[in-house]
Amino acid sequence: AQSVTQPDIHITVSEGASLELRCNYSYGATPYLFWYVQSPGQGLQLLLKYFSGDTLVQGIKGFEAEFKRSQSSFNLRKPSVHWSDAAEYFCAVGAGGSYIPTFGRGTSLIVHP
Amino acid sequence: NAGVTQTPKFQVLKTGQSMTLQCAQDMNHEYMSWYRQDPGMGLRLIHYSVGAGITDQGEVPNGYNVSRSTTEDFPLRLLSAAPSQTSVYFCASRLAGPTDTQYFGPGTRLTVL
Repeated sequence: AQSVTQPDIHITVSEGASLELRCNYSYGATPYLFWYVQSPGQGLQLLLKYFSGDTLVQGIKGFEAEFKRSQSSFNLRKPSVHWSDAAEYFCAVGAGGSYIPTFGRGTSLIVHP
Repeated sequence: NAGVTQTPKFQVLKTGQSMTLQCAQDMNHEYMSWYRQDPGMGLRLIHYSVGAGITDQGEVPNGYNVSRSTTEDFPLRLLSAAPSQTSVYFCASRLAGPTDTQYFGPGTRLTVL
């Protein structure tokens, strides 16, 4: 079965600083990978997804992620964080027959002014 | 399109009571899922459906029942609520294929006393 690890429970950055959120997955074949964002009291919104091809994928809100097969990683990055980026971020992997995503435990992003 | 809708938004139950969480989508999506979100645990899959009349268990199915009689609706039933079922419940849907975007509802916050 597939699994996802987000090693960082909380990340604190200053507004304008760069951001990298880590995600490691476990799956035998090439997985389908996702990053979602959840603002306080809200549902989840898809930031970006990777299925195949170019390993650097661009998403909404200025986010990007890079798939590294050798490291089983799919880290999320943003060059300059805005205060509105403060939220919970979830990495997910879709695999198996139904490809219903399995989620990591999430990373809470705190942005200091 | 209304997207994915969930009712109620909030609910308080006493131990042993039963209730149904409603989920509906108007996007003609084949795949629908129920997740629960608990602090520090991310989202865990309860049940999912790949089409009308077809359901399957996820990671944490105990204490929950589902059925899918129409494409649009995917209700989640708690037969005898327990305090351990206090959580935020999210319904999600996607068209069919693993590359299709999964859309989430706004969630139902359930408290079992």
